[in-house]
Amino acid sequence: ETGVTQTPRHLVMGMTNKKSLKCEQHLGHNAMYWYKQSAKKPLELMFVYSLEERVENNSVPSRFSPECPNSSHLFLHLHTLQPEDSALYLCASSLEASSSYNEQFFGPGTRLTVL
Amino acid sequence: KQEVTQIPAALSVPEGENLVLNCSFTDSAIYNLQWFRQDPGKGLTSLLLIQSSQREQTSGRLNASLDKSSGRSTLYIAASQPGDSATYLCAVTDSGGYQKVTFGTGTKLQVIP
Repeated sequence: ETGVTQTPRHLVMGMTNKKSLKCEQHLGHNAMYWYKQSAKKPLELMFVYSLEERVENNSVPSRFSPECPNSSHLFLHLHTLQPEDSALYLCASSLEASSSYNEQFFGPGTRLTVL
Repeated sequence: KQEVTQIPAALSVPEGENLVLNCSFTDSAIYNLQWFRQDPGKGLTSLLLIQSSQREQTSGRLNASLDKSSGRSTLYIAASQPGDSATYLCAVTDSGGYQKVTFGTGTKLQVIP
């Protein structure tokens, strides 16, 4: 596998379920990101990890819980979500988290539907 | 707070035409600006990244320019093809500290054969 992969690609869950989204990057990068893309809204940065340390939390509700066990893997744990959380969740990685040259590479996304 | 605007929101052109997509941002203290394309229901593909010290970048039929002082960037696509049909997004990274990336809402491009 190359680049940034995400699983699952599609997820339907009820409001009382607990699920996790997984992201893996094979680029040797040190920074990873979670974004949320809702219809007709700009991408929203949710979390930034640099060398497995969370360095940015963009006022995201606690029902979203990120985890970065190593620089290649990133998880987003979901619990008691709301229907308005339905969106495309995108993972990205970059070589570093603070640099003037820092191209971000994105995964294909997980399409989440909360019933 | 950084705000990024893309105009137009949608654009339809005949195949072969040259076209320009616009991106403006409110805070010129940026690390870089990146252009992406997104196909329906898919992730983002990086097209070009311009560092704050650069004026432009080129890749094939694509040319992106950056005027930091006026808070503007343009993406020029030469000799458009139906395969160029997608949504084009620009994103700016604010300077200082860890990456604070702000995206525009995108321009949806349709190239008609």
